[in-house]
Amino acid sequence: DGGITQSPKYLFRKEGQNVTLSCEQNLNHDAMYWYRQDPGQGLRLIYYSQIVNDFQKGDIAEGYSVSREKKESFPLTVTSAQKNPTAFYLCASEGGPTEAFFGQGTRLTVV
Amino acid sequence: DQQVKQNSPSLSVQEGRISILNCDYTNSMFDYFLWYKKYPAEGPTFLISISSIKDKNEDGRFTVFLNKSAKHLSLHIVPSQPGDSAVYFCAARRAAGKSTFGDGTTLTVKP
Repeated sequence: DGGITQSPKYLFRKEGQNVTLSCEQNLNHDAMYWYRQDPGQGLRLIYYSQIVNDFQKGDIAEGYSVSREKKESFPLTVTSAQKNPTAFYLCASEGGPTEAFFGQGTRLTVV
Repeated sequence: DQQVKQNSPSLSVQEGRISILNCDYTNSMFDYFLWYKKYPAEGPTFLISISSIKDKNEDGRFTVFLNKSAKHLSLHIVPSQPGDSAVYFCAARRAAGKSTFGDGTTLTVKP
């Protein structure tokens, strides 16, 4: 089945450590996105990529990094520079000008 | 500057009645407007969309209305069911661009 997969579903990180969240899609979509959701808030855009080997900062890119070496994959690294990394992270992909397909999310907790 | 706003954080309705969720936007250049539904700890799923050249789109119990002069759209759910209880996000986008999301409205449908 076609879809978008995020892993892991839950992730714990010690302060000062970098951590990478995985996002893979087999929908043949060109565009991929990373969002962050905090409790009671909406979706804030971290980074997005509209084509392989190219990506742009979103509204809250500080403390995060991404790569887009393959069309299917768009991993997000939460670096130690991110001051408040505990959140629910969502990856999405789009194949055209209409709807986005979202993964199930990764809940990151800093311990 | 928040381009897409959902001014009601929550809405409670009785089962069988109509639910009306509202969304306002500021950018008159948006080409598409979308509604997503989100359950806790899951990714949003696409519900319904409307092109800026239309004023109504209907899909079963869900209807979206667009008032371009007022820069306002609404989602009507009739009849509301307990399974409709979720967070609803409004989003807007250009044809070749990224989506901008509102902060969401939590709908509770009481049996």
